[in-house]
Amino acid sequence: AQKVTQAQTEISVVEKEDVTLDCVYETRDTTYYLFWYKQPPSGELVFLIRRNSFDEQNEISGRYSWNFQKSTSSFNFTITASQVVDSAVYFCALSGGVSGGYNKLIFGAGTRLAVHP
Amino acid sequence: DAGVTQSPTHLIKTRGQQVTLRCSPISGHKSVSWYQQVLGQGPQFIFQYYEKEERGRGNFPDRFSARQFPNYSSELNVNALLLGDSALYLCASSLYIGGSGRDGSGANVLTFGAGSRLTVL
Repeated sequence: AQKVTQAQTEISVVEKEDVTLDCVYETRDTTYYLFWYKQPPSGELVFLIRRNSFDEQNEISGRYSWNFQKSTSSFNFTITASQVVDSAVYFCALSGGVSGGYNKLIFGAGTRLAVHP
Repeated sequence: DAGVTQSPTHLIKTRGQQVTLRCSPISGHKSVSWYQQVLGQGPQFIFQYYEKEERGRGNFPDRFSARQFPNYSSELNVNALLLGDSALYLCASSLYIGGSGRDGSGANVLTFGAGSRLTVL
C-alpha cells in the first residue's frame, strides 16, 4: 500500500524563524515521484517541487530546501527565514508508481503553517 | 495564459440532488484529473482522463462519474448527493499521462484549479 504521513498538523512560528515540515512515505515501487504543493487560503494547490526516486540530491530554491532520504523514506521541506506570505497548508504527495499510475497523487493530510509577524 | 479554470466556485445542494462540476484545462494539456478534498484532509484522487478516455479511477462509489470532451474540458457528476460529499473538488491538468521514465519523463506536474466548493445540506 502507498501512504504519505505528515505528522505535524499545525506549526506556528514567528517571522524569520526557520521551519521544517516533515514527510514520510510508504511505497513498494522502486520508481516513484514525490511532490510538495502549497495551498494558500484561495484554495488552489501550487506546485513547489517534484523529485524522482533515482535522484537523492537535496535541492535549494531561494528560501526553500528539500532533503530526500530514501533510507528513511522521508522528503522533508525547510523554509529558511520564514515570512508571513509563507502561511498556508503544505502537502507532500507521492505518485502512484507502476502499480498506481504516475499521475495519481497520494497526498498526506497536510501541515498548516502559520507565520506571525 | 489562463490556468485551470473551474466552475462554479461555490454551490449549495440538498441531499439526493445531483451536481455537475466543470473544468477547463490549460491550453494544450490533454489530461484532466479530479480530486476531492474534505475539510482538514489532503486531496483524494477520483478520476483521471486522457484523450477523452478514463485512465484511472479512485475508490469512489458509482455515484461519481466524469467525462472529457474533444476540447479536453471535463465534467464531474455526482448523483444522489450525501452530506459526506461536501468538499472542495479540485481539477488538475497536465500535458500528458505519466510514465516510468528514469529520464524524468515520469509523473507529470499537475496544475490545479482553485476548486469548486460543494456544500450538501
